[in-house]
Amino acid sequence: DAKTTQPTSMDCAEGRAANLPCNHSTISGNEYVYWYRQIHSQGPQYIIHGLKNNETNEMASLIITEDRKSSTLILPHATLRDTAVYYCIVRVGPRGSGAGSYQLTFGKGTKLSVIP
Amino acid sequence: DTGVSQDPRHKITKRGQNVTFRCDPISEHNRLYWYRQTLGQGPEFLTYFQNEAQLEKSRLLSDRFSAERPKGSFSTLEIQRTEQGDSAMYLCASAWYSQVDTQYFGPGTRLTVL
Repeated sequence: DAKTTQPTSMDCAEGRAANLPCNHSTISGNEYVYWYRQIHSQGPQYIIHGLKNNETNEMASLIITEDRKSSTLILPHATLRDTAVYYCIVRVGPRGSGAGSYQLTFGKGTKLSVIP
Repeated sequence: DTGVSQDPRHKITKRGQNVTFRCDPISEHNRLYWYRQTLGQGPEFLTYFQNEAQLEKSRLLSDRFSAERPKGSFSTLEIQRTEQGDSAMYLCASAWYSQVDTQYFGPGTRLTVL
């Protein structure tokens, strides 16, 4: 699976949009971009994923560049409860029936602090 | 609650003792993963099951670690002869085998080895 690069930490004012970047310059055509977050002392929480197109759900938006070498997770109106470590993960899709474990390879992520 | 559950949430044990953790996945999910997370690091993959079959176990940290999923539902992770270096958060995740295979995590079991 391709490696990702994220800033170690970021601050965001409460109520403003939080834009979290991720570089994945070695991504291949069948690899998805996943975002998870981990609030202190909890298990990781799935946020969103995408392959080529931009995606939006009730939690966030994911913007993937046309060359797919980078992406940005957008939390449109950050709240204090969004303070967490955010992980960008690139992972290949299924290789065939029963093949591959599809485990997630976590880096150190970005520590987002939402400030009142 | 239909999420992933883990038991116990916290475990304190003495070095050399055996410990067992349980994970109950989301009921319709056929894939189950175990991860370990140490302080300041992201989760690290250990093993996974598809139904009752353990399809990947080479990442288990040593032969002291073993996992089972006997009926394709809940799973257990056992650590024998615990060492202080085993102190960590042990996380379980489940997923439905699909093109996307989105994994949903439980709250974790925090192990402290004295």
